Amino acid sequence: QLVLTQSPSASASLGASVKLTCSLNSGHSDYAIAWHQQQPQKGPRYLMKVNIDGSHTKGDGIPDRFSGSSSGAERYLTISSLQSEDEADYYCQTWGNGIWVFGGGTKLTVL
Amino acid sequence: QITLMESGPTLVKPTQTLTLTCTFSGFSLSTSGVAVGWIRQPPGKALEWLAVIYWDDDKRYSPSLKSRLTITKDTSKNQVVLTMTNLDPVDTATYFCAHTDCYDSDAFYYEILDFWGQGTLVTVSS
Repeated sequence: QLVLTQSPSASASLGASVKLTCSLNSGHSDYAIAWHQQQPQKGPRYLMKVNIDGSHTKGDGIPDRFSGSSSGAERYLTISSLQSEDEADYYCQTWGNGIWVFGGGTKLTVL
Repeated sequence: QITLMESGPTLVKPTQTLTLTCTFSGFSLSTSGVAVGWIRQPPGKALEWLAVIYWDDDKRYSPSLKSRLTITKDTSKNQVVLTMTNLDPVDTATYFCAHTDCYDSDAFYYEILDFWGQGTLVTVSS
């Protein structure tokens, strides 16, 4: 069973950097994932896909402040130079064997 | 420019059937590698995948909801319809549809939900 695990919350100061983690469960550590951002009261927005080797491809118009990386079964989203509009929920998502799976989401608070 | 918009009833009674329509523009669901998926989000909770339909009319469903869901497409109208039977209050959620880009690259296969609709809130209550 394909499972993605995210910490429920994270916080960082305005102008700082934050690294969010998405963990793939055992047996699925070679999966690529996608990151989606959901600002308050809005629909999700695709940010990027992150591969097992850490390479990542961003969606249209996603600022350079957003980047992705990998280590083993972990996939990361790093946001640098945090801005107030980065305060949002971040979901990782993957696909395989005919199903899609979302992580539980991380609520990012910008202090 | 790809856009998607969900539409349907805002209030449904328990045991009734829900029919949601995703109307899109900027792409064709007859183009190889294109899919449209449905995802929902109960108030204050996480995203949950429901179903996806592919350009070749292949369909996949969430295993936990498979018996209650049907997804279809009307290529001429640029619409995808999701039907969910036997509604319950726990089905109260915002329902989203998303354009999906399916492709192979460097020996990996990708299904990327790259454009989302704004969602439509459905409340199940008597």
